[in-house]
Amino acid sequence: ETGVTQTPRHLVMGMTNKKSLKCEQHLGHNAMYWYKQSAKKPLELMFVYSLEERVENNSVPSRFSPECPNSSHLFLHLHTLQPEDSALYLCASSQDLGDRSQPQHFGDGTRLSIL
Amino acid sequence: GESVGLHLPTLSVQEGDNSIINCAYSNSASDYFIWYKQESGKGPQFIIDIRSNMDKRQGQRVTVLLNKTVKHLSLQIAATQPGDSAVYFCAENYSTGGGNKLTFGTGTQLKVEL
Repeated sequence: ETGVTQTPRHLVMGMTNKKSLKCEQHLGHNAMYWYKQSAKKPLELMFVYSLEERVENNSVPSRFSPECPNSSHLFLHLHTLQPEDSALYLCASSQDLGDRSQPQHFGDGTRLSIL
Repeated sequence: GESVGLHLPTLSVQEGDNSIINCAYSNSASDYFIWYKQESGKGPQFIIDIRSNMDKRQGQRVTVLLNKTVKHLSLQIAATQPGDSAVYFCAENYSTGGGNKLTFGTGTQLKVEL
């Protein structure tokens, strides 16, 4: 157990659907992250939150909308996605954004398939 | 831009042998490095980290070596077991003004043969 829980583990949706991914961390961390992992590509950072404030948005299309209601929960709202958005979406957390000597801890991801 | 890369995409070893997974980094400002293990169907799992003021760090059956002169990082796994089969990523961490940001390589697939 990593202390970071993601639901659902698998999601299949049509391009016109609206769904949300959920992440919860039980580590008392203050920073949370969304990553996209596609086959044979490095992890791509999407969003960064620190103390519930978004501090980074890596040119992610607006069809992905993050939400961080508190330091333990992070959501990724999805709408009108494209087939190329099919990937593994990983959530991570770390103690503090400014502390570079602490690793990020990952959940097991949501495998998203767009029909 | 700067990137983190791995020398070999796939490494096959016999059970019981030692494994060495290599990683090259190009950002001279990177001062913290992490190795992750990702098993099929799971997220990356933290294995070991090292700061740039160290050359070597040991964990349980794993050792990370850092050579700043040539910007090279390696992960050594002693007495490799079938459960070690996974993709291994190195990641470098450097300050961008936004804090704790990691850059990952594509990973090396480690296959343990019985």
